[in-house]
Amino acid sequence: AQRVTQPEKLLSVFKGAPVELKCNYSYSGSPELFWYVQYSRQRLQLLLRHISRESIKGFTADLNKGETSFHLKKPFAQEEDSAMYYCALSGRETSGSRLTFGEGTQLTVNP
Amino acid sequence: DTEVTQTPKHLVMGMTNKKSLKCEQHMGHRAMYWYKQKAKKPPELMFVYSYEKLSINESVPSRFSPECPNSSLLNLHLHALQPEDSALYLCASSRLRVVQDTQYFGPGTRLTVL
Repeated sequence: AQRVTQPEKLLSVFKGAPVELKCNYSYSGSPELFWYVQYSRQRLQLLLRHISRESIKGFTADLNKGETSFHLKKPFAQEEDSAMYYCALSGRETSGSRLTFGEGTQLTVNP
Repeated sequence: DTEVTQTPKHLVMGMTNKKSLKCEQHMGHRAMYWYKQKAKKPPELMFVYSYEKLSINESVPSRFSPECPNSSLLNLHLHALQPEDSALYLCASSRLRVVQDTQYFGPGTRLTVL
């Protein structure tokens, strides 16, 4: 079974402050981890995935297999970062991709 | 075309109605998905199609009937729904070159069942 846990439902920071959104996962094999973001009234969109090791909009995430974590970080938060963030895991299936989402963290960046 | 499109944007239906949701992508993706998303909750997987064949059904009630007429189109036929089925229905697609390819989501159809 695969499971994703995001312990914080709500997170509020001030503009310019560092932000970290936590994500822990449970999966017996080698998972692929993703962060998706949903801005108000917009579609769910990929922010980053661990295999690409990219930094998107200043966000980074490192897969820590020992701690089974994939926390999302940004050194200086911006007001436009306010959104719902979902951590997601995709396991190896024989057909299709079973994407399991965490409950999400609503990030608010205050001016 | 690099987007997944969904129609209609909004749908209101009675419990005795029959309606369909439509999803389209022209990115050459060979896997397509239906998700259900309740307010303030994450998307929940309903169905997966791989190469136009149903590969995953997450024990969805039979009042939801998916159909994949070709590699670009995905439909979800609705019949005798309940008010608790009101939600945002999301379609997604992925390449399927490797099973963990990124999924790209449509904007969703907001369904209200009266």
